[in-house]
Amino acid sequence: SQQGEEDPQALSIQEGENATMNCSYKTSINNLQWYRQNSGRGLVHLILIRSNEREKHSGRLRVTLDTSKKSSSLLITASRAADTASYFCATAPISSNTGKLIFGQGTTLQVKP
Amino acid sequence: NAGVTQTPKFQVLKTGQSMTLQCAQDMNHNSMYWYRQDPGMGLRLIYYSASEGTTDKGEVPNGYNVSRLNKREFSLRLESAAPSQTSVYFCASSPGGVTGNYGYTFGSGTRLTVV
Repeated sequence: SQQGEEDPQALSIQEGENATMNCSYKTSINNLQWYRQNSGRGLVHLILIRSNEREKHSGRLRVTLDTSKKSSSLLITASRAADTASYFCATAPISSNTGKLIFGQGTTLQVKP
Repeated sequence: NAGVTQTPKFQVLKTGQSMTLQCAQDMNHNSMYWYRQDPGMGLRLIYYSASEGTTDKGEVPNGYNVSRLNKREFSLRLESAAPSQTSVYFCASSPGGVTGNYGYTFGSGTRLTVV
């Protein structure tokens, strides 16, 4: 079964607007990661937030983590058409001693020019 | 360019045929993974190798076998392909470690159709 569930499944916004995607998970984790996948391509790692961190920034990306609610959000500010892609959260469960990740089903983001 | 290389990029098989998907990384990573991606299902882990010489089953291992040939290479074999194995297959690698506090590097995928 999937560990992470993204919400919404699909999001359509205008260029320049902010995009927020949410991820919920079920078990205790070492870290949570976000990936981007452009159509027909492999996944690209965006950002990693550890279980003892609450917020992390990377360029136009801001990730928050609330371990008490078992949830995370990814905010993309001032979106661009090039941000059009699917975004996946992935968790590294504490129960795994091998560091393997469990991926959610993803959010498809469309940014209209 | 450093990264994860998968071959082939596309493949069509007939039911019952066998094939091996190849994956190689040149980042000296310890851990390697095989995932499949199906519409609406996200990525599901098939097999992984936490370190050279070890392999373990993931979430959906039935119908597959793997070989960690050396530190660089991790292959996925379909012994008798079935239409349910039609999917996009991704190989990934990471430095490893028990906490998994590293991002994965993914290959570009193999699009497999079983008819």
